[in-house]
Amino acid sequence: GESVGLHLPTLSVQEGDNSIINCAYSNSASDYFIWYKQESGKGPQFIIDIRSNMDKRQGQRVTVLLNKTVKHLSLQIAATQPGDSAVYFCAENRYRAAGNKLTFGGGTRVLVKP
Amino acid sequence: NAGVTQTPKFQVLKTGQSMTLQCAQDMNHEYMSWYRQDPGMGLRLIHYSVGAGITDQGEVPNGYNVSRSTTEDFPLRLLSAAPSQTSVYFCASSYQDRDYEQYFGPGTRLTVT
Repeated sequence: GESVGLHLPTLSVQEGDNSIINCAYSNSASDYFIWYKQESGKGPQFIIDIRSNMDKRQGQRVTVLLNKTVKHLSLQIAATQPGDSAVYFCAENRYRAAGNKLTFGGGTRVLVKP
Repeated sequence: NAGVTQTPKFQVLKTGQSMTLQCAQDMNHEYMSWYRQDPGMGLRLIHYSVGAGITDQGEVPNGYNVSRSTTEDFPLRLLSAAPSQTSVYFCASSYQDRDYEQYFGPGTRLTVT
């Protein structure tokens, strides 16, 4: 069943185009910034992480950029495919910190148009 | 590996009833946690455990209890269900030294009437 909100910001992308999903974070002390993907009716799935001492990291078809000056994180998806349709969450983490280990953002829905 | 499994998938409770949501993982992960996901609220941490016999509260622990008697299992108990607990509940697990990379179960959709 659907597990995400009705009023998520939505990004509509043409199949084959690149997608850019943005996130603002709040905690300057976070050690890791992470992107998760949640398909309809499923639990979130880890995509990629970036340590706070990096500004760019690349994975398979994805690139994460970190701008600590303005507390901004972005996820770029190259050549977007129908299987990329999902809700994307950014999260921040303090390594081995007690308490609230992963703090999630509100999510962005990506719709891929054929 | 089955990964993280959760039961039941769906549950309807009346106000005041109690129940236990089950969670199990077969990856020998030290860290396990419970989140709830409400529309427009993202995921919020309820309780977590860094190993068998050790549990601690997250952001929204009120109305829930947990225990961790084995590495594999981490049940979540609702003591007296309230409509405010209507939500989708996710269990997650990870290695302690990679706690940013969590593996989530498929979720339990709970409705309290």
